[in-house]
Amino acid sequence: SAVISQKPSRDICQRGTSLTIQCQVDSQVTMMFWYRQQPGQSLTLIATANQGSEATYESGFVIDKFPISRPNLTFSTLTVSNMSPEDSSIYLCSVLGQGITDTQYFGPGTRLTVL
Amino acid sequence: EDKVVQSPLSLVVHEGDTVTLNCSYEVTNFRSLLWYKQEKKAPTFLFMLTSSGIEKKSGRLSSILDKKELFSILNITATQTGDSAVYLCAVVGSQGNLIFGKGTKLSVKP
Repeated sequence: SAVISQKPSRDICQRGTSLTIQCQVDSQVTMMFWYRQQPGQSLTLIATANQGSEATYESGFVIDKFPISRPNLTFSTLTVSNMSPEDSSIYLCSVLGQGITDTQYFGPGTRLTVL
Repeated sequence: EDKVVQSPLSLVVHEGDTVTLNCSYEVTNFRSLLWYKQEKKAPTFLFMLTSSGIEKKSGRLSSILDKKELFSILNITATQTGDSAVYLCAVVGSQGNLIFGKGTKLSVKP
């Protein structure tokens, strides 16, 4: 499986500010996914990020709030914009395993707390 | 609408016990079902199941899928305190995304 790193691992932010989360993979991958896990909840897909095209957002998530960059096949960023306490969550990126597989492997996550 | 339902939501057992975690699903064009273990932040992959009746096994953990009845179980035998975690079940949706259940929180007491 790919080795995935995320930065920052955690942050505490003020309401109204923005935070950019980075996801780095040690191999080239076509699809990268961004998930959110709110406290006590399961994982919810925010968007799918393909290199060279616009990210595809799930229902309830919009580009203005969660802009995503995918400049190359090993890197992506997710920005949480104009944050409110409701954005306090764990944010996770994931990639598909090698070969023809549906298995996704997750980065270590970013724990965000918005005051 | 695609959905995944896990039960129980939480479970407390003692070391050495055997546990069975359940996952039922409704999804259009089923492709595969995955189990993950989440201890802190990141889910770690356990199994991917695509065919009915074929048990996947890794040490004390095993899992099987029933595509007719639309469910899967995850068994853990001789549980240890290190098995304490949230176990997540997910199915691959029609867009290739993962749809997660709410998870089962397992607590193993010494």
